Amino acid sequence: EIVLTQSPATLSLSPGERATLSCRASQSVSIYLAWYQQKPGQAPRLLIYDASNRATDIPARFSGSGSGTDFTLTISTLEPEDSAVYYCQQRNAWPRAFGQGTKLEIK
Amino acid sequence: EVHLVESGGGLVRPGGSLRLSCAASGFTFSTYSMNWVRQAPGKGPEWISYISGSGSGSTSTILYTDSVKGRFTISRDNAKNSLFLQMNSLRDEDTAVYYCARAASLDFWGQGTLVTVSS
Repeated sequence: EIVLTQSPATLSLSPGERATLSCRASQSVSIYLAWYQQKPGQAPRLLIYDASNRATDIPARFSGSGSGTDFTLTISTLEPEDSAVYYCQQRNAWPRAFGQGTKLEIK
Repeated sequence: EVHLVESGGGLVRPGGSLRLSCAASGFTFSTYSMNWVRQAPGKGPEWISYISGSGSGSTSTILYTDSVKGRFTISRDNAKNSLFLQMNSLRDEDTAVYYCARAASLDFWGQGTLVTVSS
């Protein structure tokens, strides 16, 4: 069973800054890694699929990179509405696994 | 526009049963695989079940996470654009918001339905 470990657990940044979130897999997931954003009381929303592809209607300030076991979600210029919990998830093997999340706070 | 609406959640005693439904619209339901994902209070999401687009026939693929195998059953009715999750022998640890999500990529999610297992 693949385990995804996200870091940091919490990130506190100001609007306009750059955010870098990491996700490490316990074994290779090839490129089959997705990132989700979840705001309080809402369902997760797909941001990035297959490591680096933005989902429909996702702003260009969100980008993903990586392959194998190490992945990064970058938010280039933070907006106040980016405050949320971000999860990575792999679809290379069953059972599908999610990371434990990174909480991004906008000061 | 893709729309997924879950229903059927509620309060149930340990050992009880519930049947969740997910009504789909805005896409050709039969051509997409579907999933159930749950999220316990204060925790991250947990994938629990998958069903291929062809449904419950001999050529379909159905998968479960270990913690629900033998207790939960996923099914679908392509004629009614609906996904189901029959949950039996419910435990306290099954308490969560249950979401249906489209496709292997989990690209669209419903708003969720809350299941509370408590005596």
